[in-house]
Amino acid sequence: GENVEQHPSTLSVQEGDSAVIKCTYSDSASNYFPWYKQELGKRPQLIIDIRSNVGEKKDQRIAVTLNKTAKHFSLHITETQPEDSAVYFCAATWVQGAQKLVFGQGTRLTINP
Amino acid sequence: GAGVSQSPSNKVTEKGKDVELRCDPISGHTALYWYRQSLGQGLEFLIYFQGNSAPDKSGLPSDRFSAERTGGSVSTLTIQRTQQEDSAVYLCASSPRSPGNTEAFFGQGTRLTVV
Repeated sequence: GENVEQHPSTLSVQEGDSAVIKCTYSDSASNYFPWYKQELGKRPQLIIDIRSNVGEKKDQRIAVTLNKTAKHFSLHITETQPEDSAVYFCAATWVQGAQKLVFGQGTRLTINP
Repeated sequence: GAGVSQSPSNKVTEKGKDVELRCDPISGHTALYWYRQSLGQGLEFLIYFQGNSAPDKSGLPSDRFSAERTGGSVSTLTIQRTQQEDSAVYLCASSPRSPGNTEAFFGQGTRLTVV
């Protein structure tokens, strides 16, 4: 089955700098890769996702890149702000195969003012 | 519209008792997941229901855990003979799982405390 590894487990950056979180997956059939943000005491919420037919997707200050050959994908946050502080989870699944959504271990991102 | 609803929000139970946690998914969502999140930890997969297919139970930690989904809608996660290590937040998520719409929406979770 699918296995998703996420690094780093914790990340601290200065406000205004960029943050990068990386994930690798094991199942080459996986074709959908979402990223979730979980603020303290809240439920996880989708912030961006990418499908295997594209290599990069952007939404304002966040972007996700996908390398299918290497089976890894990354989240990039630019011009970080204090409200970006949260735990971020990557995930992978094969949509057409009706496979479960498998999450990485999470990255606790802290933005220092 | 209504999101994923879980009940109760909080549950305190004595060790050895059975508990039932309920999840009401978004109407029309064919996929339903249960995850467990211990304090400060990640999202541990428990069980996955997809339409009429047999559920993927590969994440259930022991035979004390079971779940069912009635009529393709409401799901109940049951933990028998609860142990202190079962204390965690139990999160339910649902998704349309259609090719163009795969987002999973989470409920607010049930915080289970076993004393």
